[in-house]
Amino acid sequence: DAGVTQSPTHLIKTRGQQVTLRCSPKSGHDTVSWYQQALGQGPQFIFQYYEEEERQRGNFPDRFSGHQFPNYSSELNVNALLLGDSALYLCASTLQEAGYTFGSGTRLTVV
Amino acid sequence: AQSVTQLGSHVSVSEGALVLLRCNYSSSVPPYLFWYVQYPNQGLQLLLKYTSAATLVKGINGFEAEFKKSETSFHLTKPSAHMSDAAEYFCAVNYPGGATNKLIFGTGTLLAVQP
Repeated sequence: DAGVTQSPTHLIKTRGQQVTLRCSPKSGHDTVSWYQQALGQGPQFIFQYYEEEERQRGNFPDRFSGHQFPNYSSELNVNALLLGDSALYLCASTLQEAGYTFGSGTRLTVV
Repeated sequence: AQSVTQLGSHVSVSEGALVLLRCNYSSSVPPYLFWYVQYPNQGLQLLLKYTSAATLVKGINGFEAEFKKSETSFHLTKPSAHMSDAAEYFCAVNYPGGATNKLIFGTGTLLAVQP
């Protein structure tokens, strides 16, 4: 049983560019959350998707957007990249209020 | 505001010694509490969780944690540290059934195990 799968694992982008990160949830999970983990920090909640809609949002600017597809997979898009967007982006999936399962993350470096 | 505080950003123990990682939460309603471990360049792995059942929770790899409402604490312990326990540990909280069910993380504690 595959867990949460994220792609790509590493990415290097230039300031001002746009990036799309992808997440496939654990089989049977219908809710996907995205977190940003800056170096030396705990993960910070970006947003959560359920039934293809954004259900909750953390304190992140509109440059961060997302999408959930009918198969529950999800994308995180970041526009107009800043150096400060460099971080590990983690996807977590869950079914209702069961435990969260995290992927291995996408390491984004903005230069 | 709901928050999690992890006392000690770095903890160093000798192999075979007791591991104690501290976590306190701030909340007026009973939360669910979690401990996650993160190895270098990897995602988060759930060690254990408290969901309002038994206050002493046993997890994987010999770890356990006790929920103490009076102290608003959920400290993580392991009787005997192993070299493979060296990693970063995160305490997290959420409030299921409410408006907010996101995970709120502490800043993490980096555990070093000395031979």
